[in-house]
Amino acid sequence: DIQMTQSPSSLSASVGDRVTITCRASQSISSYLDWYQQKPGKAPKLLIYAASSLHSGVPSRFSGSASGTDFTLTISSLQPEDFATYYCQQGYSTPPTFGQGTKLEI
Amino acid sequence: QVQLQESGPGLVKPSQTLSLTCTVSGGFISSGGYYWSWIRQHPGKGLEWIGSIYYSGSTYYNPSLKSRVIISVVTSRNQFSLKLSSVTAADTAVYYCARESDTADFDYWGQGTLVTVSS
Repeated sequence: DIQMTQSPSSLSASVGDRVTITCRASQSISSYLDWYQQKPGKAPKLLIYAASSLHSGVPSRFSGSASGTDFTLTISSLQPEDFATYYCQQGYSTPPTFGQGTKLEI
Repeated sequence: QVQLQESGPGLVKPSQTLSLTCTVSGGFISSGGYYWSWIRQHPGKGLEWIGSIYYSGSTYYNPSLKSRVIISVVTSRNQFSLKLSSVTAADTAVYYCARESDTADFDYWGQGTLVTVSS
């Protein structure tokens, strides 16, 4: 299985901050990398697919980028509703695998 | 907009079979173009993909669970189902159904259902 490693595991930030979360794949996954946001007691929501494409309805303050096996999710200006846990996921090979999550706290 | 809803027992006894159904609305499974998936999340933990099915009945499963999993589809009811046999406490989790696109991202999810394995 392809291992996905996120960093940091947790992050404290303030409203208005620019935040970056990183995900590293254990091998090449091309651009088959997605980002999800999950709030307590809720299902994950797709934010970014194919490394850098914004899912429908997702605010433009969210963006994704890739460099080799390293992928980055950036939130340009944190809003109160952005405090949540974020997961990356590779869809390059079976089984699809997720990172361990990054908890973004106030 | 596509919506998914899980249903099934919230409590299963050890060694028995966990059975869940996902009902899809706002779109038709039989339209094709998407796989339909089950994903679980152990309490306080990360996400684990269980398996996926196409409207034709073609399936693929996580090798770690393959020997215990069956996913099936009933297009006339716009539903797909999960059966996980020989469950133990380690199968206690929130189970989600989701739609999987052709780029293997999960773009729509059900709200999730907690299944507890306990006698």
